[in-house]
Amino acid sequence: EPEVTQTPSHQVTQMGQEVILRCVPISNHLYFYWYRQILGQKVEFLVSFYNNEISEKSEIFDDQFSVERPDGSNFTLKIRSTKLEDSAMYFCASSPLDTNTGELFFGEGSRLTVL
Amino acid sequence: RKEVEQDPGPFNVPEGATVAFNCTYSNSASQSFFWYRQDCRKEPKLLMSVYSSGNEDGRFTAQLNRASQYISLLIRDSKLSDSATYLCVVSTNTDKLIFGTGTRLQVFP
Repeated sequence: EPEVTQTPSHQVTQMGQEVILRCVPISNHLYFYWYRQILGQKVEFLVSFYNNEISEKSEIFDDQFSVERPDGSNFTLKIRSTKLEDSAMYFCASSPLDTNTGELFFGEGSRLTVL
Repeated sequence: RKEVEQDPGPFNVPEGATVAFNCTYSNSASQSFFWYRQDCRKEPKLLMSVYSSGNEDGRFTAQLNRASQYISLLIRDSKLSDSATYLCVVSTNTDKLIFGTGTRLQVFP
């Protein structure tokens, strides 16, 4: 069964360092997303990406964050200068259709720990 | 008021029990509604969509009341494998899903 894959599964970094989280969405999907979940809290929307551009972003997704789809398969989230409060599980998701169908397929997540 | 509000639980129920979860949402423009399931330290997975007329999938029944902005999930004949956190999720006319904090269910033998 096709799945969304994410790397790394866990990354530990020092405050102020740049981090890139990588995702390979399901191949025929058109919509791509990043969500995050701070430990013990709810899943929060960061950004959606369609047709090679950001379609929507949340207040969390400030200038320190960026996304890229550098080739036909990878979808990356970059945090330029990490802060302690960026520590969270970051989930990539993809969907063949828009959000109102609800069927988002999530990867297993990348746990980011900022020291 | 939170966008999507759920009782965090935990709900501790014996195998075979029936359990119901409730959820309220604040945005009356919300268009689509879902229940996702999240196992401990895992990714969310779609359990079922919720339709205005109510819908059933095996032991799971979902209901939507748009006037009250209220969504419910009923699980009949609980199994040990149903132990998880159940996430109420809504979507407006934007490209994002809004998640509730989740209701934790623990089914014991």
